[in-house]
Amino acid sequence: AAGVIQSPRHLIKEKRETATLKCYPIPRHDTVYWYQQGPGQDPQFLISFYEKMQSDKGSIPDRFSAQQFSDYHSELNMSSLELGDSALYFCASSLGDRGGEQYFGPGTRLTVT
Amino acid sequence: DAKTTQPTSMDCAEGRAANLPCNHSTISGNEYVYWYRQIHSQGPQYIIHGLKNNETNEMASLIITEDRKSSTLILPHATLRDTAVYYCIVRVATYGQNFVFGPGTRLSVLP
Repeated sequence: AAGVIQSPRHLIKEKRETATLKCYPIPRHDTVYWYQQGPGQDPQFLISFYEKMQSDKGSIPDRFSAQQFSDYHSELNMSSLELGDSALYFCASSLGDRGGEQYFGPGTRLTVT
Repeated sequence: DAKTTQPTSMDCAEGRAANLPCNHSTISGNEYVYWYRQIHSQGPQYIIHGLKNNETNEMASLIITEDRKSSTLILPHATLRDTAVYYCIVRVATYGQNFVFGPGTRLSVLP
């Protein structure tokens, strides 16, 4: 079965640079979620989109923005990167009316140097 | 969202059943119990969820007490590949609702 696809899988950036992470949800899924997991921490919710509209917002820094496109893929844009942004970034998708279980992608490991 | 309490860590012998408890004493009537697991640095993996009835799928069984204040995830025949952090999460089942991942239980399956 098709899963959530994230790209790139690994990314190395320098401080103050920008980064764009991409997420391709499971086919027919209309809801996308972004989570951040720092070293030794649990995943923390950043933001979600349902039918291309922002549906919920968590602890996402103002330097980050995200959107969901007409084909339901999503991009997380991160600017003015800081060392503390080094983390695993997971995207998850769900079918809005299916009771809410989310299926996670393999993640993007971002390293800021 | 209601908070959950889980043991920090547990060990289980390979081939035996692993029973992972979760307390959620402040759960609301419209909140489901979800279980996820995360194998080292991989994306969290959905296991099972339920509202008030016991549930079973190919991975596990979920037993929810009648008062819904606690539940137990059962892996019937644990293997080494089941070593992971297991998260018990309660939340309403509506679109856009995020999951709040707590400390979870680190399950070690021992040979």
